[in-house]
Amino acid sequence: GAGVSQSPRYKVAKRGQDVALRCDPISGHVSLFWYQQALGQGPEFLTYFQNEAQLDKSGLPSDRFFAERPEGSVSTLKIQRTQQEDSAVYLCASSLDGAGNQPQHFGDGTRLSIL
Amino acid sequence: TQLLEQSPQFLSIQEGENLTVYCNSSSVFSSLQWYRQEPGEGPVLLVTVVTGGEVKKLKRLTFQFGDARKDSSLHITAAQPGDTGLYLCASREAIGSNYKLTFGKGTLLTVNP
Repeated sequence: GAGVSQSPRYKVAKRGQDVALRCDPISGHVSLFWYQQALGQGPEFLTYFQNEAQLDKSGLPSDRFFAERPEGSVSTLKIQRTQQEDSAVYLCASSLDGAGNQPQHFGDGTRLSIL
Repeated sequence: TQLLEQSPQFLSIQEGENLTVYCNSSSVFSSLQWYRQEPGEGPVLLVTVVTGGEVKKLKRLTFQFGDARKDSSLHITAAQPGDTGLYLCASREAIGSNYKLTFGKGTLLTVNP
């Protein structure tokens, strides 16, 4: 498809387990963003990549959250030792350039439930 | 980080009715975006407003940016069930050469047939 693809769509994990969420951005898009959307809230910024460089990670809630984009395309958001408060929808967005001139295109998200 | 307040939080109306939802901030927006998010999907950009007093129309949707660029409204005429969704406003905040989006909590609209 031509859009941003995220997998898995749903993930259930027990508290304390590690999880990995994948984002396939639109081909050729330079910028990639991760957002967290709790139930009944708007999305909140987590981190930003320009190509393979992580230029901003100010929104990551704790050091249990880690994101990477090693080849400048696919990105993975990893959460270690998951807690119940990590339950949320994790959205990935990509945009064509790195200067904010193009809109962010969102994937449909991964819904993470921590039991 | 700019704080965006959206109202109402929930809105349930009948097909054919008109409605207006609001987005406000205590500080000036450089620009403002409106998104619609349907259940199980990501937000989809509807419009970007930049200039104070600007009005943009998208079919039955009318977007207005306040003169002081601190508030915006979205008016839907003759709402249809397909308009159901979460309406989010978002401001852009610079991060280096790019922008991150700061969203309000949204207005959850239900249009009943």
